[in-house]
Amino acid sequence: DVKVTQSSRYLVKRTGEKVFLECVQDMDHENMFWYRQDPGLGLRLIYFSYDVKMKEKGDIPEGYSVSREKKERFSLILESASTNQTSMYLCASKGAGGPKEQYFGPGTRLTVT
Amino acid sequence: QQQVKQSPQSLIVQKGGISIINCAYENTAFDYFPWYQQFPGKGPALLIAIRPDVSEKKEGRFTISFNKSAKQFSLHIMDSQPGDSATYFCAASKSGGSNYKLTFGKGTLLTVNP
Repeated sequence: DVKVTQSSRYLVKRTGEKVFLECVQDMDHENMFWYRQDPGLGLRLIYFSYDVKMKEKGDIPEGYSVSREKKERFSLILESASTNQTSMYLCASKGAGGPKEQYFGPGTRLTVT
Repeated sequence: QQQVKQSPQSLIVQKGGISIINCAYENTAFDYFPWYQQFPGKGPALLIAIRPDVSEKKEGRFTISFNKSAKQFSLHIMDSQPGDSATYFCAASKSGGSNYKLTFGKGTLLTVNP
């Protein structure tokens, strides 16, 4: 059974804190993605990674960075959290090659106060 | 620029009715069109997908209709059930670059009343 896990379901942080969101997949997938989901805006891609140590910006990378040191793990970093980064964060993974299913984790609800 | 436009934002259907969600895209290079279903508290999961070489794909009660000339595709849910109540996202991607990253519509909240 395929699995994408995220380190926290709920997280509350203060403005200016450095925040780490962790994602782990057990499917040996090459591609991993970070999205944020906001009501009325759908899913927007923040960053994705197509191999270890490789990354590409998505549609809304500002204020975020990522790290992928191991194939199974993809981290999203908020260098200095702001209230407009309060959101649901979803991690996904996909195998290499053509268009295939992206497998999503359950999400992390981040609140920045 | 919103590349995939989804409508309606919300939809209420009676049990046994047909639910129809529509999407329109702008980029003619898109060649893969999946629909994802998301239940509260869960991540989205692939429901059904289509490539533009066919005009329709059916899986059980779920059908994608695709109109390449109009750059539109839609999801039809036949005999809608309360268990189908969820948020549905259409998406699109193109071959050959950026590892088939998906561009999502904004989502449709479907409520099926018993």
